[in-house]
Amino acid sequence: DGGITQSPKYLFRKEGQNVTLSCEQNLNHDAMYWYRQDPGQGLRLIYYSQIVNDFQKGDIAEGYSVSREKKESFPLTVTSAQKNPTAFYLCASNRGVRTEAFFGQGTRLTVV
Amino acid sequence: DQQVKQNSPSLSVQEGRISILNCDYTNSMFDYFLWYKKYPAEGPTFLISISSIKDKNEDGRFTVFLNKSAKHLSLHIVPSQPGDSAVYFCAASARGTYKYIFGTGTRLKVLA
Repeated sequence: DGGITQSPKYLFRKEGQNVTLSCEQNLNHDAMYWYRQDPGQGLRLIYYSQIVNDFQKGDIAEGYSVSREKKESFPLTVTSAQKNPTAFYLCASNRGVRTEAFFGQGTRLTVV
Repeated sequence: DQQVKQNSPSLSVQEGRISILNCDYTNSMFDYFLWYKKYPAEGPTFLISISSIKDKNEDGRFTVFLNKSAKHLSLHIVPSQPGDSAVYFCAASARGTYKYIFGTGTRLKVLA
């Protein structure tokens, strides 16, 4: 079954620690994305990648880092520099421009 | 600056009636629009899309209308069903870009 897998579903971390969220897709999509959802703010783009070994900052990239070493994988690291890391994080992928994006089930990150 | 706006945070509709969800945008470079449905703690699910060369697209109970001069699109659900109760997001992308900009969402409640 093709799809996007995000793990873990729930993640708790202490303030000041870096944490990496996993995103894997087996849809053979070239493009992958990371979004953040906060209450009342919709989905905001953190980073996106159009192709392996290339990625661009989205609208709220500060405090985050990504890598795209394999087509199937696009992990997101939430660093200690991110001021308000507690949020729901969504990974997505699509074939390219003007095509629908498919989303994973999300990771709820809570920093205490 | 919110480029994609969903001004109604919530909407209640009786089962069997029509649900109309609205979305406005400000960027005249947007040429591809999508609607997503989202349940709590899950990733959004793609519903329907429309290109700027069209003014209407239908898929079963879902129809999207695009009014380019008014920079407005709407999603019609007919007939509405209790299972349609969810948060609906509209999204837009500009020609040749990979970035999808999402609205803040409208929570639809279909009353049985």
